[in-house]
Amino acid sequence: GAVVSQHPSWVICKSGTSVKIECRSLDFQATTMFWYRQFPKQSLMLMATSNEGSKATYEQGVEKDKFLINHASLTLSTLTVTSAHPEDSSFYICSAGLAGGPRVQYFGPGTRLTVT
Amino acid sequence: TQLLEQSPQFLSIQEGENLTVYCNSSSVFSSLQWYRQEPGEGPVLLVTVVTGGEVKKLKRLTFQFGDARKDSSLHITAAQTGDTGLYLCAGASGSARQLTFGSGTQLTVLP
Repeated sequence: GAVVSQHPSWVICKSGTSVKIECRSLDFQATTMFWYRQFPKQSLMLMATSNEGSKATYEQGVEKDKFLINHASLTLSTLTVTSAHPEDSSFYICSAGLAGGPRVQYFGPGTRLTVT
Repeated sequence: TQLLEQSPQFLSIQEGENLTVYCNSSSVFSSLQWYRQEPGEGPVLLVTVVTGGEVKKLKRLTFQFGDARKDSSLHITAAQTGDTGLYLCAGASGSARQLTFGSGTQLTVLP
């Protein structure tokens, strides 16, 4: 149980284009999902908290107009990187938690974004 | 701002050796999780500890939550090459849904 998937697992795009990454909770419903960015051999950096049916909450320094988050259902959140630039190249990971009990998060396998 | 400091940041050991990774904070956490992450993959949950002083064992891995719930440790006995990876601790506190992540420990076990 508690499986989270991400799609695509990797994507290469040209500078100036937009890329959408999907995060799905496969066997549970998630009112809250989280989006992280990770650089090589470093810890996770929280970008935003995605709330089902309402606006996402962005961390300080994260541009909400550049990283669009939509959480339209209890099993799907999407992150769209708009007008991507090479500096947006990174490993993006989403997570979701089960309601109740310890605040454990289950992570997706990540998406490697390369902007050329 | 809550901080979780992990040490060491990098650790390279020979197969068969023992090691301990520490996760420390000045804040109290209601629960603390340990994750392991391999390159190109998402973190995988290893354990959750919720009670001060709690000790949990997962095969060769022993996890301990400090009595005051401010710190935790992960001890690996007789490390194997398959233990190589990035180990992350993460704490939950208050009503916030977010987790506070430690800085990570990159473990390399050499054959």
